[in-house]
Amino acid sequence: GNSVTQMEGPVTLSEEAFLTINCTYTATGYPSLFWYVQYPGEGLQLLLKATKADDKGSNKGFEATYRKETTSFHLEKGSVQVSDSAVYFCALTSSASKIIFGSGTRLSIRP
Amino acid sequence: EPEVTQTPSHQVTQMGQEVILRCVPISNHLYFYWYRQILGQKVEFLVSFYNNEISEKSEIFDDQFSVERPDGSNFTLKIRSTKLEDSAMYFCASSDRARETQYFGPGTRLLVL
Repeated sequence: GNSVTQMEGPVTLSEEAFLTINCTYTATGYPSLFWYVQYPGEGLQLLLKATKADDKGSNKGFEATYRKETTSFHLEKGSVQVSDSAVYFCALTSSASKIIFGSGTRLSIRP
Repeated sequence: EPEVTQTPSHQVTQMGQEVILRCVPISNHLYFYWYRQILGQKVEFLVSFYNNEISEKSEIFDDQFSVERPDGSNFTLKIRSTKLEDSAMYFCASSDRARETQYFGPGTRLLVL
């Protein structure tokens, strides 16, 4: 069945460091791929998405490229800030109905 | 910007009691969803709803669960007889088309004692 595997956390970085959170997926057909972010005490917010191979999603300095050949959708940011501290979820949808989430990666940024 | 709202934000209940979690999806959206997140675990799909009927449901969504759209704005999740393991954060989401971006509410934290 469809699934998402993402990098185990927690990840702790210093401010202005480069961030990569790895995500790979297994899916039949042509899924859409997402990164959602959950800030402390809040709900899920869509961070970025890509709907077809080679698409790049971007938002707030974060980027991820839909790589069909490696079935990956790694999240990157060139210079993280303390305000980026949150839990990040990689996700996919291939059916009409549901999103399948990865297990989440907790990111902590030190000032 | 339109957003999904959920009430209550927190609910504490006794095991065996019925609870109803309420959601107001974005007004022009047609597809509605419930997910849950047990503390420290991944977000899991429960059910999707379109055109006044369930489109898809997971194994978690057993006979104790039901969903309803009682009027033009609300979308509810009912748990008939809560169990300890129902303690979780419950998220409602909506989208305007199938396979389009789902927008999530802030969640209801349910604690079953």
